[in-house]
Amino acid sequence: QKEVEQNSGPLSVPEGAIASLNCTYSDRGSQSFFWYRQYSGKSPELIMFIYSNGDKEDGRFTAQLNKASQYVSLLIRDSQPSDSATYLCAVRLGGYSTLTFGKGTMLLVSP
Amino acid sequence: EAGVAQSPRYKIIEKRQSVAFWCNPISGHATLYWYQQILGQGPKLLIQFQNNGVVDDSQLPKDRFSAERLKGVDSTLKIQPAKLEDSAVYLCASSSRDSQTSPLHFGNGTRLTVT
Repeated sequence: QKEVEQNSGPLSVPEGAIASLNCTYSDRGSQSFFWYRQYSGKSPELIMFIYSNGDKEDGRFTAQLNKASQYVSLLIRDSQPSDSATYLCAVRLGGYSTLTFGKGTMLLVSP
Repeated sequence: EAGVAQSPRYKIIEKRQSVAFWCNPISGHATLYWYQQILGQGPKLLIQFQNNGVVDDSQLPKDRFSAERLKGVDSTLKIQPAKLEDSAVYLCASSSRDSQTSPLHFGNGTRLTVT
């Protein structure tokens, strides 16, 4: 059974701080990893994906992947109140495989 | 590019009734997914289609749920009969191809309430 674990939060950070969101996964065969943001009452929207060990940066967002530790994280620099949402980690095996989601971490950024 | 279209947006039914949801993926997207998202949880895959063939339906409660994708484009998800625990948001998503890095694009979802 493939599992994706996230702390449900809420994670509270002040405006301008760095928010760090973490995700672990159980299947060592997992090959690609996605972070989605979901505002309350809305559908998930893609932030970024990563499939190589190391860091990947996109604007204020940095995804970090450590396959040996089966760990992926998302850093949000200069957090804004508009970043307040639930962040979903999703994991995929290679080939014709499904995207398995974690339960999400709620992030609250206070002004 | 038009996004993933879903209808209806909201549906309220009584238990034991039937309901159907419709999804039109992004044009050209071969892979279509139906996810169920219960409040406070992450999306759970119900079924995945590649063109009009089923790739994964291992978590679909087949005694009450059914889905089809005619001609490899639109898809319909049906629940019959509905139970209280089926209350959730049903999300349809599509991707351009089933490769490692193809992201899923989600529709706005259908919020189902079973009373």
